[in-house]
Amino acid sequence: EIVLTQSPGTLSLSPGERATLSCRASQSVSSSYLAWYQQKPGQAPRLLIYGASSRATGIPDRFSGSGSGTDFTLTISRLEPEDFAVYYCQQYGSSFMYTFGQGTKLEIK
Amino acid sequence: EVQLVESGGGLVQPGGSLRLSCAASGFTFSSYSMNWVRQAPGKGLEWVSYISSSSSTIYYADSVKGRFTISRDNAKNSLYLQMNSLRAEDTAVYYCARAPITIYMDVWGKGTTVTVSS
Repeated sequence: EIVLTQSPGTLSLSPGERATLSCRASQSVSSSYLAWYQQKPGQAPRLLIYGASSRATGIPDRFSGSGSGTDFTLTISRLEPEDFAVYYCQQYGSSFMYTFGQGTKLEIK
Repeated sequence: EVQLVESGGGLVQPGGSLRLSCAASGFTFSSYSMNWVRQAPGKGLEWVSYISSSSSTIYYADSVKGRFTISRDNAKNSLYLQMNSLRAEDTAVYYCARAPITIYMDVWGKGTTVTVSS
């Protein structure tokens, strides 16, 4: 089973700043199989990025994904107040299992 | 509007059973694979189960295998999760989620809360 480790656990930034969130896999992951989600308190997760770098429908272009192999990154170029939330990476594995990272909480500094 | 609405959650004693439903609207339900994903209080996301569009392929997380059963009724645009032999660790918000292709989930319901406690 592939384990996804997200860092940092909590990221404190101010609106307008750039956010860089990391997702590291215990084994190599196909870029096609890596997604990112945003979750706000009391809400369902929202798909942001799929295939490591493709934005989902309606996602602003300040969100971007990159990476390959075992290291993936979600970047928010210029933080808006509504971007403060918890972010999860997710991969789909060969043994048919979806696994999620433990999440990174992006909080207002 | 594409929408998923879960129902059926509640308080149940350990060892009990519960059936969750997910009503889909705004898209051709029969064309999509579906998943159940849960989130324990204050914790992260955990995938629970997958069902293909025709119900021909079904998978479960090891934590629920043999206790939970996923099913769907394409005529009723509905997804189900039958949960038996419930444990305290099954306490969570349960989300249904659409999978346009198997590898990610693009539409999620608001979730239904299951509490297993005596």
